[in-house]
Amino acid sequence: DAGVIQSPRHEVTEMGQEVTLRCKPISGHNSLFWYRQTMMRGLELLIYFNNNVPIDDSGMPEDRFSAKMPNASFSTLKIQPSEPRDSAVYFCASSLASAAFFGQGTRLTVV
Amino acid sequence: QQPVQSPQAVILREGEDAVINCSSSKALYSVHWYRQKHGEAPVFLMILLKGGEQKGHEKISASFNEKKQQSSLYLTASQLSYSGTYFCGTDGGTSYGKLTFGQGTILTVHP
Repeated sequence: DAGVIQSPRHEVTEMGQEVTLRCKPISGHNSLFWYRQTMMRGLELLIYFNNNVPIDDSGMPEDRFSAKMPNASFSTLKIQPSEPRDSAVYFCASSLASAAFFGQGTRLTVV
Repeated sequence: QQPVQSPQAVILREGEDAVINCSSSKALYSVHWYRQKHGEAPVFLMILLKGGEQKGHEKISASFNEKKQQSSLYLTASQLSYSGTYFCGTDGGTSYGKLTFGQGTILTVHP
């Protein structure tokens, strides 16, 4: 298996623009997590899905952030409009009731 | 609730031992340990389920005391390759709960 695949790896966008991050989890995994990592706040859980259903989105910073998982093999995290403080590395991870395996992350820079 | 790790940073010489602790204010079903090298994604090391077990392979092992809601990661005879940031992740007390990470412990191993 290729592991968790995220795209793009790097994204630079202007403040106010919409950003969409994509994730393909490991086949057969039923849980998917979106994390944001910054120096100040560490590794924060934004939202997690179980069997494609959002279970806990209490970590989503505000209404500008939204996440979807239309099927078992694809998820998106959207930021609209983006702000400079959203700059971070965003990780997607998937698991099957045990270890979580991370994608390589998307480094987002909002200027 | 984010678990608390200690110490925040450790500096070692090759061959020395280290212990990293992780504690939670909530009851746990499992504790996960990950290592992240600079610029890379967190990599799964091991998972411990409630039952007070100790797991490990080669020179990295861990224990889980569910009554105290604590886990410890033991690194013996450290190698240069052990350098990185170590994270513990805890669930919400369920077998598939959301995985929340501690703030991380930076481990640096010098020759």
